Amino acid sequence: KAGVTQTPRYLIKTRGQQVTLSCSPISGHRSVSWYQQTPGQGLQFLFEYFSETQRNKGNFPGRFSGRQFSNSRSEMNVSTLELGDSALYLCASSLDGLTLEQYFGPGTRLTVT
Amino acid sequence: DQQVKQNSPSLSVQEGRISILNCDYTNSMFDYFLWYKKYPAEGPTFLISISSIKDKNEDGRFTVFLNKSAKHLSLHIVPSQPGDSAVYFCAAGVYNFNKFYFGSGTKLNVKP
Repeated sequence: KAGVTQTPRYLIKTRGQQVTLSCSPISGHRSVSWYQQTPGQGLQFLFEYFSETQRNKGNFPGRFSGRQFSNSRSEMNVSTLELGDSALYLCASSLDGLTLEQYFGPGTRLTVT
Repeated sequence: DQQVKQNSPSLSVQEGRISILNCDYTNSMFDYFLWYKKYPAEGPTFLISISSIKDKNEDGRFTVFLNKSAKHLSLHIVPSQPGDSAVYFCAAGVYNFNKFYFGSGTKLNVKP
């Protein structure tokens, strides 16, 4: 069974631009969560989608948004990029959102210059 | 606010000895705790979990201990192997509420 895939793996953007990241969960998984990882901050929860609905949300500004499609693939969008948005963005999938063990993708490394 | 804290950013241990990684949390509502291991250029991989109804869970060389009164959990790796060298994250959440809070990670280096 293929794991969680994220595209692109690396991305360089300039301040003010917007970016869209993609996550394909493990086949059959319906819950997708997004995290931001920065040095010293660990993983910070962005949001979780289940069956195309945002079910949980972390404490990030409205510039961060996401969506989930009917095939459970998810996208995350960041508008008006700031230097502080440079981070590793990880997505994780789980079977139904009631299973607590999540499976992470390799992440997208976003650099904002 | 950091609801889950890993106060040791790094730990170095000799091969064959015990590695003890610590984690503290502040939210008494948390009732499920997990440990993840992360290698460079890879996403975290699930290692072991424990629910608040237990105080210990064991899986091979890995044991997690939970002290609810102290809001503290620890991961013991015995014996430590060089392949265990990675960053370890602890995470906490509420069962059936799929939102987790992660610590900042502890980088473990197991020396041969």
